[in-house]
Amino acid sequence: GENVEQHPSTLSVQEGDSAVIKCTYSDSASNYFPWYKQELGKGPQLIIDIRSNVGEKKDQRIAVTLNKTAKHFSLHITETQPEDSAVYFCAATFSGGYQKVTFGIGTKLQVIP
Amino acid sequence: ETGVTQTPRHLVMGMTNKKSLKCEQHLGHNAMYWYKQSAKKPLELMFVYSLEERVENNSVPSRFSPECPNSSHLFLHLHTLQPEDSALYLCASSQDRAGETQYFGPGTRLLVL
Repeated sequence: GENVEQHPSTLSVQEGDSAVIKCTYSDSASNYFPWYKQELGKGPQLIIDIRSNVGEKKDQRIAVTLNKTAKHFSLHITETQPEDSAVYFCAATFSGGYQKVTFGIGTKLQVIP
Repeated sequence: ETGVTQTPRHLVMGMTNKKSLKCEQHLGHNAMYWYKQSAKKPLELMFVYSLEERVENNSVPSRFSPECPNSSHLFLHLHTLQPEDSALYLCASSQDRAGETQYFGPGTRLLVL
């Protein structure tokens, strides 16, 4: 089955700096990689995703990159703000047929004002 | 906010109690999920229902019993739990079994004494 490793487990940055979270996956068949943000007292919510036919995707201050050959993908947050403080989860799955979504262990991001 | 609600939000129970967790989705989705979220562990998929039929049970102990009376509601019946079952229980839904994006509820924080 799929195995997703995520690091770092915790990350502290100064407001305005960038944050990078990295994940690796094991199953080359995986072709869909969502990122979820979980704020305190809430469930995870999708913030961005990327498919295997794309190398990079950007949405305002958030971007995700994918290296299929190396089987790793990363989340980049620029100009961090205090409201970016949360736990971020990467995930991998195969889109197009039923396969469960495998999640990383999560990264707790703290943005220091 | 996400269209998935869970009740109760917090639950404390003794090991001999019987309680139920409830999840309701207002998104018109056909698949629903129960996850267990423990500290320093990836999200653990427990059960998957598709069109009210259980399609996956990830070796979950029988003290957890799911029920899906219709495509909008999902229950998790709890009986004679152990302290190690204390965790955040998340419900999610997706368009169908192959749905890529899962929409999570806020979770039920369970403490077993």
